[in-house]
Amino acid sequence: KAGVTQTPRYLIKTRGQQVTLSCSPISGHRSVSWYQQTPGQGLQFLFEYFSETQRNKGNFPGRFSGRQFSNSRSEMNVSTLELGDSALYLCASTRDEPNEKLFFGSGTQLSVL
Amino acid sequence: SQQGEEDPQALSIQEGENATMNCSYKTSINNLQWYRQNSGRGLVHLILIRSNEREKHSGRLRVTLDTSKKSSSLLITASRAADTASYFCATAIQGAQKLVFGQGTRLTINP
Repeated sequence: KAGVTQTPRYLIKTRGQQVTLSCSPISGHRSVSWYQQTPGQGLQFLFEYFSETQRNKGNFPGRFSGRQFSNSRSEMNVSTLELGDSALYLCASTRDEPNEKLFFGSGTQLSVL
Repeated sequence: SQQGEEDPQALSIQEGENATMNCSYKTSINNLQWYRQNSGRGLVHLILIRSNEREKHSGRLRVTLDTSKKSSSLLITASRAADTASYFCATAIQGAQKLVFGQGTRLTINP
């Protein structure tokens, strides 16, 4: 069974640009969660999608958004990038409940210059 | 301070020794999980312990949970160089559909 796939692996953007990250969950998993990891703040929950609906949301500004498609693949978008958005963005999938065992992808390392 | 706080922040031991990491949390939980992360990579789930369990084993891993003290510990026995990684505890808070991660413990195993 293939694991969680995140693309791209690395991204370099400049301030003010926008970016879209992609996550393909494990087959059969309907819940996809996104986390931001930085050295200073650690792992912070962004949002979680289940059956194309956002079920949970963390404390991030509206510049951070996401969506989920009917095949459970998910994307997250960050608009008007700021230097502080530089981070490792991780997605994780699980069959139903986002507070059970999570399967993580390798992450997308975003650098904002 | 955060829901999950880990202690110590960094730990360096010799190969073959045991490593113990601790996690404290503030609110009632449904379960507590431990994850490992190798540098710059995704997290790998190690073990999950539910709020009504006190101890769990998986291979060289032993996890304890004390809900009265709101704390957990992860013991790795007979450490190996490949155990070098960051270890995170994550709590499933009652009523919240997400995991809250601690800041992690950076474990270094010296050959």
